[in-house]
Amino acid sequence: GAGVSQSPSNKVTEKGKDVELRCDPISGHTALYWYRQSLGQGLEFLIYFQGNSAPDKSGLPSDRFSAERTGGSVSTLTIQRTQQEDSAVYLCASSLAQSGRSYNEQFFGPGTRLTVL
Amino acid sequence: AQTVTQSQPEMSVQEAETVTLSCTYDTSESDYYLFWYKQPPSRQMILVIRQEAYKQQNATENRFSVNFQKAAKSFSLKISDSQLGDAAMYFCAYNTDKLIFGTGTRLQVFP
Repeated sequence: GAGVSQSPSNKVTEKGKDVELRCDPISGHTALYWYRQSLGQGLEFLIYFQGNSAPDKSGLPSDRFSAERTGGSVSTLTIQRTQQEDSAVYLCASSLAQSGRSYNEQFFGPGTRLTVL
Repeated sequence: AQTVTQSQPEMSVQEAETVTLSCTYDTSESDYYLFWYKQPPSRQMILVIRQEAYKQQNATENRFSVNFQKAAKSFSLKISDSQLGDAAMYFCAYNTDKLIFGTGTRLQVFP
């Protein structure tokens, strides 16, 4: 079946504007993750959804960042009042449910490159 | 808190040769997973190989193998018979319920 998809592929916005980034996970995957990759850096965890549990928001850098996952499927990452330091690639991943110490592979989307002017 | 360190920002290798990418990590856990991901210019993160900490045997996937030293908290990736298509960013990662990544190593492969 289809992999993880993200839209838009690229987004250019002006400082102070709000942006929404979308992630469509693999069908049947109950776990969904958002990561941020700044230029020349590794991936930084932002937020994690697991089924109907409360999301793990511990990686969100400020209250300008929020995410929701509707119906346990599609997720939207919203950045309000964007700043130039928000410029990065935002990657989404999904997996089967994580349980205890077992591990289910995270499958990544192609990312959205956000540029804040 | 768990951390992952990749001390080689860039590496290069000639085609058909072998290269080793280094990774160290810090954790107080005894049971965990470690990964190497490849990120080509397309940005797509591709899982190369994974290692379960409770397994002493080093993982191998075709030309890719790891040297896992649990006591030293070291997890290096060896690429044998390097190919031009191996050129990419390589990230080491540690798993809790989310992945913690190192800063990556850019691998260049010369013909």
